[in-house]
Amino acid sequence: AQTVTQSQPEMSVQEAETVTLSCTYDTSESNYYLFWYKQPPSRQMILVIRQEAYKQQNATENRFSVNFQKAAKSFSLKISDSQLGDTAMYFCAFMKHSRSGNQFYFGTGTSLTVIP
Amino acid sequence: DTGVSQDPRHKITKRGQNVTFRCDPISEHNRLYWYRQTLGQGPEFLTYFQNEAQLEKSRLLSDRFSAERPKGSFSTLEIQRTEQGDSAMYLCASSVREQGARSNEKLFFGSGTQLSVL
Repeated sequence: AQTVTQSQPEMSVQEAETVTLSCTYDTSESNYYLFWYKQPPSRQMILVIRQEAYKQQNATENRFSVNFQKAAKSFSLKISDSQLGDTAMYFCAFMKHSRSGNQFYFGTGTSLTVIP
Repeated sequence: DTGVSQDPRHKITKRGQNVTFRCDPISEHNRLYWYRQTLGQGPEFLTYFQNEAQLEKSRLLSDRFSAERPKGSFSTLEIQRTEQGDSAMYLCASSVREQGARSNEKLFFGSGTQLSVL
């Protein structure tokens, strides 16, 4: 079974500062994808960043980057130059391929508050 | 608006009543997922369609739950004889497998339907 663990229920960061959200996962799969999704108060889940497990290079999307440590099964999200609009729940997700389709598994989320 | 849309956004019902939710995916997406999210938790997989075929169902999906996607476009999720434990947000997501990648896929979510069972 796949599990995704986010050990930080809540975090806060000063505007313009940098924050790192942690995520670990457990799997026996060798080929999979990892995602960070953001859920603002509007409730709509928005994809922030994606990482293919077979790529060693860490994914980057503007102010968002990941630190992917495959051996340690760790996938942290770094948000640089935090903005007020970054305030949201952040979910780490794992995707594995199955014969009938792809299975996504989500962590319990980290609530991030950006303080003005 | 070309995103995933869900209707209604909120539903309050009495225990024992039936409810039905609708999801309209992004038009070119052939895959559609239903998830349930309770307070303080991440989304939990309920079921998955590829076109009109329901390919996978979670053990969370009891026999009171049924989902359909009759023409491979919109989908409905019905809960019969609702119970207080069904109170949750029900999320729909759609996707399409990216060209050239065996497994690559990105989920696009709707805003969810918040169900409260009194």
